Amino acid sequence: EPEVTQTPSHQVTQMGQEVILRCVPISNHLYFYWYRQILGQKVEFLVSFYNNEISEKSEIFDDQFSVERPDGSNFTLKIRSTKLEDSAMYFCASSASTYGYTFGSGTRLTVV
Amino acid sequence: AQSVTQPDIHITVSEGASLELRCNYSYGATPYLFWYVQSPGQGLQLLLKYFSGDTLVQGIKGFEAEFKRSQSSFNLRKPSVHWSDAAEYFCAVMNSGYSTLTFGKGTMLLVSP
Repeated sequence: EPEVTQTPSHQVTQMGQEVILRCVPISNHLYFYWYRQILGQKVEFLVSFYNNEISEKSEIFDDQFSVERPDGSNFTLKIRSTKLEDSAMYFCASSASTYGYTFGSGTRLTVV
Repeated sequence: AQSVTQPDIHITVSEGASLELRCNYSYGATPYLFWYVQSPGQGLQLLLKYFSGDTLVQGIKGFEAEFKRSQSSFNLRKPSVHWSDAAEYFCAVMNSGYSTLTFGKGTMLLVSP
């Protein structure tokens, strides 16, 4: 069964550093998403991406965040200057239509 | 704004017993509803979804859920729980005009021998 692949599985970074989280969506999918889950809290929507542009974003997705599809296969989330409160599990998802998500296994980001 | 409430943070069920996890949603129109499961260190796996039609939907791993509009509920059930079902379960709602999911806080299922 096709999978969404996320790398790395765990990343530790120092406060103020830039991080890039990488995702390889399912190859024929057109819609891409990032969600995050702070430890002990609910999964929250960050951003959706379609046709090479952001289609929706939450209030969490401020100027510190950006997304990119640098080539035909990768979808990245960049956090420009990490803060302690950015520590969370970040999930990438993709879908062929707007209703059929497949999530990756996540990247645990720890900011120290 | 849409929201999802999962009133039980933890539930413990004996292996072989039946299970019901509660989910209530708040949304003005007919929602699209989902249940996901997350095992420790794993991603979110879709168990089942409801868009329209039959209000009782069947999912993977023997799970089912029933949409009750009058109660704004979408409870997840399984007739006989296995130890491998121990995980965290998330209910989610999607606004039919958009494609983003709003999740509940999750229910951690513990299975006792």
